[in-house]
Amino acid sequence: AQSVTQLDSQVPVFEEAPVELRCNYSSSVSVYLFWYVQYPNQGLQLLLKYLSGSTLVKGINGFEAEFNKSQTSFHLRKPSVHISDTAEYFCAVTGLWSASKIIFGSGTRLSIRP
Amino acid sequence: DGGITQSPKYLFRKEGQNVTLSCEQNLNHDAMYWYRQDPGQGLRLIYYSQIVNDFQKGDIAEGYSVSREKKESFPLTVTSAQKNPTAFYLCASSIDDRMNTEAFFGQGTRLTVV
Repeated sequence: AQSVTQLDSQVPVFEEAPVELRCNYSSSVSVYLFWYVQYPNQGLQLLLKYLSGSTLVKGINGFEAEFNKSQTSFHLRKPSVHISDTAEYFCAVTGLWSASKIIFGSGTRLSIRP
Repeated sequence: DGGITQSPKYLFRKEGQNVTLSCEQNLNHDAMYWYRQDPGQGLRLIYYSQIVNDFQKGDIAEGYSVSREKKESFPLTVTSAQKNPTAFYLCASSIDDRMNTEAFFGQGTRLTVV
């Protein structure tokens, strides 16, 4: 069965430090990968997506992610975080199993300390 | 501005009552979705619809019902059969049901049983 695992439920970092949020997926078929961000009491918005081509994708707010097929990972990174990056981040995957079923990870709460 | 509007933002339900959550989009998207979000569990799919007058059950459809009479609207009814309805509900849409399209989310409705 297809699944998405976000290994860290919470990640505390200091302001201006680098951060990596980990995401691993399980699928025997080709996938498309997404990262979404959710600010408190709001909906989700797309940060970036991997569909094909270059395995390093850049998104909004200075975030980037790298698709690693051999490790079935799609980790999200930012070289220097700001207080405004405090939010919950969701990794998601779609694939051939069902076009309309986006599978979300359980989320990683990023908290930035001044 | 195009987008997805969910209403109300906060909703209180008494035991045994049915309540309906509204979701309207003006993005001209074919596909629409309802998710339930509980702390630490990510997003779980309740129902989705790929075209007008058609919808499919997601992973946790029991105790919920939907309709899709218009392309723009996809209301969700939480029935009295849903034993634990307190949660944050998110509506989303995508251009179509192809795997490589991202979802656009509303701001959510927080439902509380009193």
